[in-house]
Amino acid sequence: DSGVTQTPKHLITATGQRVTLRCSPRSGDLSVYWYQQSLDQGLQFLIQYYNGEERAKGNILERFSAQQFPDLHSELNLSSLELGDSALYFCASSDTGLEMNEQFFGPGTRLTVL
Amino acid sequence: DQQVKQNSPSLSVQEGRISILNCDYTNSMFDYFLWYKKYPAEGPTFLISISSIKDKNEDGRFTVFLNKSAKHLSLHIVPSQPGDSAVYFCAATNSGYSTLTFGKGTMLLVSP
Repeated sequence: DSGVTQTPKHLITATGQRVTLRCSPRSGDLSVYWYQQSLDQGLQFLIQYYNGEERAKGNILERFSAQQFPDLHSELNLSSLELGDSALYFCASSDTGLEMNEQFFGPGTRLTVL
Repeated sequence: DQQVKQNSPSLSVQEGRISILNCDYTNSMFDYFLWYKKYPAEGPTFLISISSIKDKNEDGRFTVFLNKSAKHLSLHIVPSQPGDSAVYFCAATNSGYSTLTFGKGTMLLVSP
């Protein structure tokens, strides 16, 4: 158990819909990262938040957005969903946000868009 | 443009033998490399890392080798155990940044 929790575990929805994925980092960790793993793809970095502020952005679509709340939990919002958005979405956390600190991953949310 | 490549999607090894997983990178700015292991239905877990100032780092049965001139790193597992069967991801980053660039992973199967 990494200490990072993600809800829900599974999500099935239709094209055009909007969903929210939630992540609670390890106690004390200030940095949260979101990754997408599509079929036959590695983990694609989407976005990072550090202590409530956006720190880095990766290959995140404009239809996707995220935020980190004062209690440090984070939400990833996916809107106008397309079939290609079906993937595993992982959240990770680390304590200072520096690359030398390993990132601890949650179990992921599997999103299926029908 | 894939900056971190794991060209072998899968690898099968017998228990007790050595497993060698390979990773190549193209971005010369990368100076810190990590290996993560992932079991089904779980998130990746950190395994071992290496800084570009070193060419080898060892942790128990796991050793990572870095060849900067070839932009190549490898993970050696000796001896391999059935519990090592998992997907192994290579990741890289650049000092001053905290984001990781991952490869697509190699599925290792260790048979008894």
